[in-house]
Amino acid sequence: QVQLVESGGGVVQPGRSLRLSCAASGFAFNSFEMDWVRQAPGRGLEWVALTSYDGGNTRYADSVRGRFTVSRDNSKNTVYLQVNSLTVEDTAVYYCARAVYGGSLDFWGQGTLVAVSS
Amino acid sequence: DIVMTQSPLSLPVTPGEPASISCRSSQSLLHSKGYNSLDWYLQKPGQSPQLLIYWGSHRASGVPDRFSGSGSGTDFTLKISRVEAEDVGVYYCMQALETPRSFGQGTKLEIK
Repeated sequence: QVQLVESGGGVVQPGRSLRLSCAASGFAFNSFEMDWVRQAPGRGLEWVALTSYDGGNTRYADSVRGRFTVSRDNSKNTVYLQVNSLTVEDTAVYYCARAVYGGSLDFWGQGTLVAVSS
Repeated sequence: DIVMTQSPLSLPVTPGEPASISCRSSQSLLHSKGYNSLDWYLQKPGQSPQLLIYWGSHRASGVPDRFSGSGSGTDFTLKISRVEAEDVGVYYCMQALETPRSFGQGTKLEIK
């Protein structure tokens, strides 16, 4: 069965960096676009970034462009989100999700919490 | 960027009664391939979101047939024919036509 497991979250100070990982299993990882979506505490969903099936095409939300980088290692069935220059506004649960049908997110991980605090 | 607007933001419903949520986009979501790039998701309390409807009206695998999606262009609706207790949570629409993808604000469905 499809599984997505995020890791790498934690408590960090403003200005610092983290690398989030999402390990996939149960499907042909190298055939699917992968997305990152975040949710600040008590707030709605915010789309963050995507990477195409081969990593050759990436897209970002305006709020993170230039600070976040999405990448993937198809040999490890893992997608990454490098998050730099963190601010308190980046505090959220970060979900990875598999994209199908041109962008619909049919499987989601359980999320990893990033808390930015001094 | 495409802006998604949902209404209502809060929806109290009696079990067994129908429910309807509206989603409007700031521009047409009609894809060149002929489908509408509009999804509906449900986030149950304490859980990750789950896909309910894709392409505006196609139920995702395992989704009960009491859920239906309709609409085209800029106006879309999610309907639940008879609400059950397990349907509580926050419902989001999302456009997948272009990046950045964008979600509606969410509609919180609660049981009366």
